[in-house]
Amino acid sequence: DGGITQSPKYLFRKEGQNVTLSCEQNLNHDAMYWYRQDPGQGLRLIYYSQIVNDFQKGDIAEGYSVSREKKESFPLTVTSAQKNPTAFYLCASSLQGGVYEQYFGPGTRLTVT
Amino acid sequence: AQKVTQAQTEISVVEKEDVTLDCVYETRDTTYYLFWYKQPPSGELVFLIRRNSFDEQNEISGRYSWNFQKSTSSFNFTITASQVVDSAVYFCALRVYSGGYQKVTFGIGTKLQVIP
Repeated sequence: DGGITQSPKYLFRKEGQNVTLSCEQNLNHDAMYWYRQDPGQGLRLIYYSQIVNDFQKGDIAEGYSVSREKKESFPLTVTSAQKNPTAFYLCASSLQGGVYEQYFGPGTRLTVT
Repeated sequence: AQKVTQAQTEISVVEKEDVTLDCVYETRDTTYYLFWYKQPPSGELVFLIRRNSFDEQNEISGRYSWNFQKSTSSFNFTITASQVVDSAVYFCALRVYSGGYQKVTFGIGTKLQVIP
């Protein structure tokens, strides 16, 4: 079955700790994305990558970092510099080009206390 | 700057009623793409439809239909004879893509509750 996997589904961390969220896809898509979703807000783009070893900042990249060493994987690190890290994080992928829809993973709900 | 406005944050309808979800967008680009996604309680967004800025043809897929009007910058979504399984949050999204640059903007979503 082709798709996107994100793990874990729920993640709890103490303030001041970095945490890495996993995202893997087997759809052979070039482009991958990370979004953050907060209650009452739409999805906001954190980072995206259109090709291996390249990525671009989205609207709210501060306090986050990513890597794209493999086509299938696009992990997101939430650093201690992110002031409000508690949120629902969604990973997506798509074929290259604006016409293509994005396929989303099931999301990771991160709670930082 | 891009913007997507979904003015209806929550809608409740009784099963079998028709319901229209509104989406108004803003962009200066002449080439752009519009999308609707459904987010059920499980959290995973599911793609429903896309339209490019040069294709104003309306579309019907079963109980779903979409009305794209460039003159009013709107891309509205209608569910006919709603069912309980339609209960979800629906997002409208605008995407601009030009070479190595892309910008994706989502609306805040409309939460639809279909009451049996």
